[in-house]
Amino acid sequence: SYELTQPPSVSVSPGQTARITCSADALPKQYAYWYQQKPGQAPVLVIYKDSERPSGIPERFSGSSSGTTVTLTISGVQAEDEADYYCQSADSSGTWVFGGGTKLTVL
Amino acid sequence: QLQLQESGPGLVKPSETLSLTCTVSGGSISSSSYYWGWIRQPPGKGLEWIGSIYYSGSTYYNPSLKSRVTISVDTSKNQFSLKLSSVTAADTAVYYCARHFIGYDILTGYYFGWFDPWGQGTLVTVSS
Repeated sequence: SYELTQPPSVSVSPGQTARITCSADALPKQYAYWYQQKPGQAPVLVIYKDSERPSGIPERFSGSSSGTTVTLTISGVQAEDEADYYCQSADSSGTWVFGGGTKLTVL
Repeated sequence: QLQLQESGPGLVKPSETLSLTCTVSGGSISSSSYYWGWIRQPPGKGLEWIGSIYYSGSTYYNPSLKSRVTISVDTSKNQFSLKLSSVTAADTAVYYCARHFIGYDILTGYYFGWFDPWGQGTLVTVSS
Protein backbone atom coordinates (compact mmCIF):
# COMPACT_ATOMS: atom_id res chain seq x y z
CA SER A 1 0.00 0.00 0.00
CA TYR A 2 1.02 3.60 -0.58
CA GLU A 3 2.66 5.18 2.49
CA LEU A 4 3.82 8.68 3.36
CA THR A 5 6.58 8.99 5.97
CA GLN A 6 6.91 12.00 8.28
CA PRO A 7 9.16 12.59 11.31
CA PRO A 8 7.14 12.29 14.54
CA SER A 9 8.32 15.61 15.89
CA VAL A 10 10.14 18.82 15.03
CA SER A 11 11.15 21.52 17.49
CA VAL A 12 12.11 25.10 16.74
CA SER A 13 12.52 28.38 18.59
CA PRO A 14 10.29 31.37 17.81
CA GLY A 15 11.48 33.32 14.79
CA GLN A 16 13.43 30.40 13.37
CA THR A 17 12.57 28.29 10.33
CA ALA A 18 10.82 24.94 10.70
CA ARG A 19 11.06 22.29 8.01
CA ILE A 20 8.80 19.25 8.02
CA THR A 21 9.46 16.51 5.49
CA CYS A 22 7.25 13.87 3.91
CA SER A 23 8.61 11.09 1.75
CA ALA A 24 7.22 8.38 -0.53
CA ASP A 25 8.43 6.60 -3.63
CA ALA A 26 5.63 7.97 -5.83
CA LEU A 27 5.99 11.63 -4.87
CA PRO A 28 7.97 12.61 -7.98
CA LYS A 29 4.82 11.81 -9.99
CA GLN A 30 2.28 12.96 -7.48
CA TYR A 31 1.25 16.17 -5.77
CA ALA A 32 1.39 16.55 -1.99
CA TYR A 33 -0.79 18.58 0.31
CA TRP A 34 -0.27 19.83 3.87
CA TYR A 35 -2.72 20.31 6.74
CA GLN A 36 -2.33 22.04 10.11
CA GLN A 37 -4.29 20.64 13.05
CA LYS A 38 -4.38 22.39 16.40
CA PRO A 39 -5.61 20.52 19.51
CA GLY A 40 -9.35 19.93 19.48
CA GLN A 41 -9.76 21.45 16.02
CA ALA A 42 -10.30 20.13 12.52
CA PRO A 43 -7.40 20.10 10.07
CA VAL A 44 -6.87 23.15 7.88
CA LEU A 45 -5.30 23.02 4.40
CA VAL A 46 -2.15 25.14 4.34
CA ILE A 47 -0.45 23.98 1.11
CA TYR A 48 -1.87 22.29 -2.01
CA LYS A 49 -0.22 20.92 -5.15
CA ASP A 50 3.21 20.84 -3.45
CA SER A 51 3.67 24.60 -3.16
CA GLU A 52 0.42 26.53 -3.64
CA ARG A 53 -0.94 28.46 -0.66
CA PRO A 54 -4.72 28.81 -0.17
CA SER A 55 -6.10 32.26 0.42
CA GLY A 56 -5.91 33.30 4.04
CA ILE A 57 -2.82 31.22 4.82
CA PRO A 58 0.13 33.38 5.96
CA GLU A 59 3.04 33.81 3.56
CA ARG A 60 5.43 32.25 6.08
CA PHE A 61 4.00 28.86 5.03
CA SER A 62 5.58 27.44 1.89
CA GLY A 63 6.00 24.06 0.25
CA SER A 64 8.57 22.48 -2.03
CA SER A 65 9.29 19.17 -3.71
CA SER A 66 12.51 17.39 -4.58
CA GLY A 67 12.62 13.80 -5.75
CA THR A 68 10.78 11.54 -3.33
CA THR A 69 10.52 14.18 -0.59
CA VAL A 70 8.23 17.14 -0.13
CA THR A 71 8.87 19.77 2.51
CA LEU A 72 6.65 22.17 4.42
CA THR A 73 8.63 25.22 5.49
CA ILE A 74 7.44 27.69 8.09
CA SER A 75 9.60 30.81 8.13
CA GLY A 76 9.71 33.00 11.21
CA VAL A 77 7.80 30.48 13.32
CA GLN A 78 5.31 31.94 15.78
CA ALA A 79 3.90 30.38 18.93
CA GLU A 80 0.53 30.01 17.18
CA ASP A 81 2.12 27.66 14.63
CA GLU A 82 2.52 24.95 17.25
CA ALA A 83 0.33 22.13 15.93
CA ASP A 84 0.30 18.75 14.24
CA TYR A 85 1.06 18.81 10.52
CA TYR A 86 -0.04 16.11 8.08
CA CYS A 87 1.00 15.54 4.50
CA GLN A 88 -1.45 13.89 2.09
CA SER A 89 -1.31 12.45 -1.38
CA ALA A 90 -3.06 9.90 -3.59
CA ASP A 91 -2.12 6.81 -5.51
CA SER A 92 -2.90 5.52 -8.98
CA SER A 93 -5.99 3.60 -7.87
CA GLY A 94 -7.94 6.45 -6.32
CA THR A 95 -6.90 5.99 -2.70
CA TRP A 96 -6.10 9.10 -0.68
CA VAL A 97 -3.42 8.70 1.99
CA PHE A 98 -2.19 10.78 4.92
CA GLY A 99 1.23 10.73 6.52
CA GLY A 100 1.49 9.83 10.18
CA GLY A 101 1.75 13.47 11.25
CA THR A 102 4.49 15.64 12.72
CA LYS A 103 4.13 17.48 16.01
CA LEU A 104 5.69 20.93 15.72
CA THR A 105 6.83 22.29 19.07
CA VAL A 106 7.72 25.95 19.43
CA LEU A 107 10.25 26.15 22.22
CA GLN B 1 -18.73 30.66 3.04
CA LEU B 2 -19.02 26.91 2.73
CA GLN B 3 -19.59 25.07 6.00
CA LEU B 4 -19.97 21.39 6.82
CA GLN B 5 -21.51 19.91 9.94
CA GLU B 6 -21.43 16.28 11.05
CA SER B 7 -24.30 14.77 13.03
CA GLY B 8 -25.21 11.37 14.43
CA PRO B 9 -25.02 9.16 17.52
CA GLY B 10 -21.95 9.55 19.70
CA LEU B 11 -22.15 5.98 21.00
CA VAL B 12 -22.51 2.80 18.98
CA LYS B 13 -22.49 -0.79 20.24
CA PRO B 14 -19.97 -3.32 18.90
CA SER B 15 -21.14 -5.22 15.82
CA GLU B 16 -23.74 -2.54 15.01
CA THR B 17 -23.70 0.04 12.21
CA LEU B 18 -22.31 3.55 12.66
CA SER B 19 -24.36 6.17 10.80
CA LEU B 20 -23.38 9.81 10.32
CA THR B 21 -24.68 12.65 8.18
CA CYS B 22 -22.86 15.72 6.92
CA THR B 23 -24.93 18.80 6.14
CA VAL B 24 -23.45 21.29 3.69
CA SER B 25 -24.39 24.96 3.94
CA GLY B 26 -23.27 28.04 2.04
CA GLY B 27 -22.96 26.11 -1.21
CA SER B 28 -24.48 23.32 -3.27
CA ILE B 29 -23.49 19.70 -2.87
CA SER B 30 -24.32 19.36 -6.56
CA SER B 31 -21.31 21.45 -7.57
CA SER B 32 -19.70 19.86 -10.60
CA SER B 33 -16.17 20.40 -9.35
CA TYR B 34 -16.13 18.56 -6.05
CA TYR B 35 -16.58 15.27 -4.30
CA TRP B 36 -17.53 15.04 -0.62
CA GLY B 37 -15.47 12.94 1.74
CA TRP B 38 -15.26 11.30 5.13
CA ILE B 39 -12.05 11.13 7.17
CA ARG B 40 -11.56 9.76 10.68
CA GLN B 41 -9.02 10.16 13.46
CA PRO B 42 -8.76 7.72 16.40
CA PRO B 43 -7.97 9.45 19.69
CA GLY B 44 -4.32 10.52 19.76
CA LYS B 45 -3.63 9.09 16.30
CA GLY B 46 -3.41 10.23 12.69
CA LEU B 47 -5.91 10.82 9.90
CA GLU B 48 -7.46 8.06 7.77
CA TRP B 49 -9.49 8.70 4.61
CA ILE B 50 -12.67 6.60 4.54
CA GLY B 51 -14.26 7.44 1.22
CA SER B 52 -15.74 10.15 -1.01
CA ILE B 53 -18.85 10.63 -3.14
CA TYR B 54 -19.89 12.81 -6.09
CA TYR B 55 -23.37 14.29 -6.26
CA SER B 56 -24.20 11.79 -9.01
CA GLY B 57 -23.43 8.93 -6.62
CA SER B 58 -19.99 7.98 -7.94
CA THR B 59 -17.77 6.86 -5.07
CA TYR B 60 -14.21 6.15 -4.05
CA TYR B 61 -13.57 3.99 -0.96
CA ASN B 62 -10.49 3.19 1.08
CA PRO B 63 -9.72 -0.45 0.20
CA SER B 64 -9.04 -1.23 3.86
CA LEU B 65 -12.62 -0.27 4.80
CA LYS B 66 -14.49 -0.85 1.56
CA SER B 67 -16.25 -4.05 2.65
CA ARG B 68 -17.91 -2.23 5.57
CA VAL B 69 -18.50 1.29 4.18
CA THR B 70 -21.41 2.83 2.32
CA ILE B 71 -21.48 6.53 1.45
CA SER B 72 -24.63 8.05 -0.02
CA VAL B 73 -25.80 11.51 -1.06
CA ASP B 74 -29.13 13.35 -0.80
CA THR B 75 -28.96 16.40 -3.05
CA SER B 76 -32.45 17.56 -2.03
CA LYS B 77 -31.22 18.02 1.54
CA ASN B 78 -27.67 19.06 0.61
CA GLN B 79 -26.38 16.17 2.71
CA PHE B 80 -24.21 13.12 2.38
CA SER B 81 -23.99 10.20 4.75
CA LEU B 82 -21.67 7.49 6.03
CA LYS B 83 -22.56 4.00 7.17
CA LEU B 84 -19.89 1.75 8.67
CA SER B 85 -21.03 -1.75 9.55
CA SER B 86 -19.83 -4.33 12.06
CA VAL B 87 -18.00 -1.76 14.17
CA THR B 88 -15.47 -2.62 16.85
CA ALA B 89 -13.58 -0.56 19.41
CA ALA B 90 -10.98 0.12 16.69
CA ASP B 91 -13.59 2.27 14.92
CA THR B 92 -13.74 4.71 17.84
CA ALA B 93 -12.64 8.03 16.36
CA VAL B 94 -13.47 11.60 15.54
CA TYR B 95 -15.22 11.49 12.18
CA TYR B 96 -14.83 14.48 9.87
CA CYS B 97 -16.59 15.35 6.65
CA ALA B 98 -14.91 17.58 4.07
CA ARG B 99 -15.21 18.87 0.54
CA HIS B 100 -12.86 16.81 -1.64
CA PHE B 101 -11.41 18.14 -4.88
CA ILE B 102 -10.44 15.21 -7.10
CA GLY B 103 -8.50 15.23 -10.35
CA TYR B 104 -6.68 12.71 -12.51
CA ASP B 105 -3.38 13.32 -14.28
CA ILE B 106 -3.48 11.31 -17.50
CA LEU B 107 0.25 11.85 -18.04
CA THR B 108 1.33 10.23 -14.77
CA GLY B 109 -1.66 7.96 -14.23
CA TYR B 110 -2.10 9.27 -10.70
CA TYR B 111 -5.05 10.84 -8.99
CA PHE B 112 -4.64 14.10 -7.10
CA GLY B 113 -6.84 16.10 -4.78
CA TRP B 114 -7.27 17.78 -1.45
CA PHE B 115 -9.78 18.21 1.39
CA ASP B 116 -11.00 21.73 2.14
CA PRO B 117 -12.88 22.86 4.14
CA TRP B 118 -13.55 20.36 6.92
CA GLY B 119 -16.40 20.04 9.37
CA GLN B 120 -15.66 20.38 13.07
CA GLY B 121 -15.78 16.61 13.58
CA THR B 122 -17.85 14.37 15.79
CA LEU B 123 -16.57 11.78 18.25
CA VAL B 124 -18.06 8.32 17.87
CA THR B 125 -17.30 5.80 20.59
CA VAL B 126 -17.86 2.09 20.06
CA SER B 127 -18.70 0.48 23.38
CA SER B 128 -21.30 -1.76 24.94
